[in-house]
Amino acid sequence: AQKVTQAQTEISVVEKEDVTLDCVYETRDTTYYLFWYKQPPSGELVFLIRRNSFDEQNEISGRYSWNFQKSTSSFNFTITASQVVDSAVYFCALKPSRGSTLGRLYFGRGTQLTVWP
Amino acid sequence: GAVVSQHPSWVICKSGTSVKIECRSLDFQATTMFWYRQFPKQSLMLMATSNEGSKATYEQGVEKDKFLINHASLTLSTLTVTSAHPEDSSFYICSALRTVDYYEQYFGPGTRLTVT
Repeated sequence: AQKVTQAQTEISVVEKEDVTLDCVYETRDTTYYLFWYKQPPSGELVFLIRRNSFDEQNEISGRYSWNFQKSTSSFNFTITASQVVDSAVYFCALKPSRGSTLGRLYFGRGTQLTVWP
Repeated sequence: GAVVSQHPSWVICKSGTSVKIECRSLDFQATTMFWYRQFPKQSLMLMATSNEGSKATYEQGVEKDKFLINHASLTLSTLTVTSAHPEDSSFYICSALRTVDYYEQYFGPGTRLTVT
């Protein structure tokens, strides 16, 4: 079974605080991809990152960083020095390499991040 | 590159009428497109997988006669909500699968449907 769990439903922080969004996944596939998407109030999904299951290196992009740990099946997302514009719903998603539909994504339920000025 | 459009971006219709939503891949061909539904404060729920030239594959619990999907070309899939009711009001998102790299989904901006 494929499953993504985002245990944090809502997080509120004050601007400039660091915040980490958790993502835990389940899959029996040895090859898979993990994603993070941002959904601002407009509704359009914004792609943030794709991570291959064979690449456990952490990644940093500006204020964003991602920590992938296969040992704990986690792919956490940290925003450093948060800003009001970071307020959005963030989704973690899993794409297994097998299955009846190639390319299918399994989404977590999302984490609503609110950054207060 | 890899742009997906949806039309309309929002629509209001009366109960009992039908509404068609278009999903287009603008700069690549997509044999597979996905249709999602998203209720407020909830995740994206996959409704169906649309395959060019063949019947769509619906997820369990999705009424295929109510949500008609047509994927007549490699760049266009349509979702028709037939005999819409207020409970069909939702945010509908499509995505197109680009197979040249990573078999990745590219998402449209979504269509907000309100049924009165």
